[in-house]
Amino acid sequence: EAQVTQNPRYLITVTGKKLTVTCSQNMNHEYMSWYRQDPGLGLRQIYYSMNVEVTDKGDVPEGYKVSRKEKRNFPLILESPSPNQTSLYFCASSSAEGVKTQYFGPGTRLLVL
Amino acid sequence: AQSVTQPDIHITVSEGASLELRCNYSYGATPYLFWYVQSPGQGLQLLLKYFSGDTLVQGIKGFEAEFKRSQSSFNLRKPSVHWSDAAEYFCARLAGNQFYFGTGTSLTVIP
Repeated sequence: EAQVTQNPRYLITVTGKKLTVTCSQNMNHEYMSWYRQDPGLGLRQIYYSMNVEVTDKGDVPEGYKVSRKEKRNFPLILESPSPNQTSLYFCASSSAEGVKTQYFGPGTRLLVL
Repeated sequence: AQSVTQPDIHITVSEGASLELRCNYSYGATPYLFWYVQSPGQGLQLLLKYFSGDTLVQGIKGFEAEFKRSQSSFNLRKPSVHWSDAAEYFCARLAGNQFYFGTGTSLTVIP
């Protein structure tokens, strides 16, 4: 089954404790992306990647890092989480050809205390 | 700056009534436009997309959208709403390799 998986689905952490949210896709997609969703703000793109070793900042990259060492994986790293990073995070992937039809993961709900 | 505006935060319609959700985008070259639906506690599902050609686009679940360049709009429509359509709807635009989403419209369907 074609899918985008994220782990963990729920996470409670404390300020400053480094964490990683994993994202994996099994569709051989080149394009992968991370979003955060906040009430009243919709989805905002954090980072995206056009392919292995190619990443670019989205609208809200501050406080986040990403890496793309393998085509299927695109982890989101919070080196020093802060309460304003409490949010619902989505990973998405798509083929690079034509218009990008994104497939979204189920989301990761993060609470930073 | 690239932007997508959804003027209606929340809409309530009766089951069986018609629906139109509004979306406006900031001026630019031929836009790539999308509508997504998010059911409670779920991820986003693509309803339809527009990138060129016929300005009336058909999607899944009986939805359609019309691209109007003169109005910078890409409104989503459905002729008869079902209770299962209750969800959050997002309009999005692809500019270059970056996506821009609207703030969403929450749809309530009353029996």
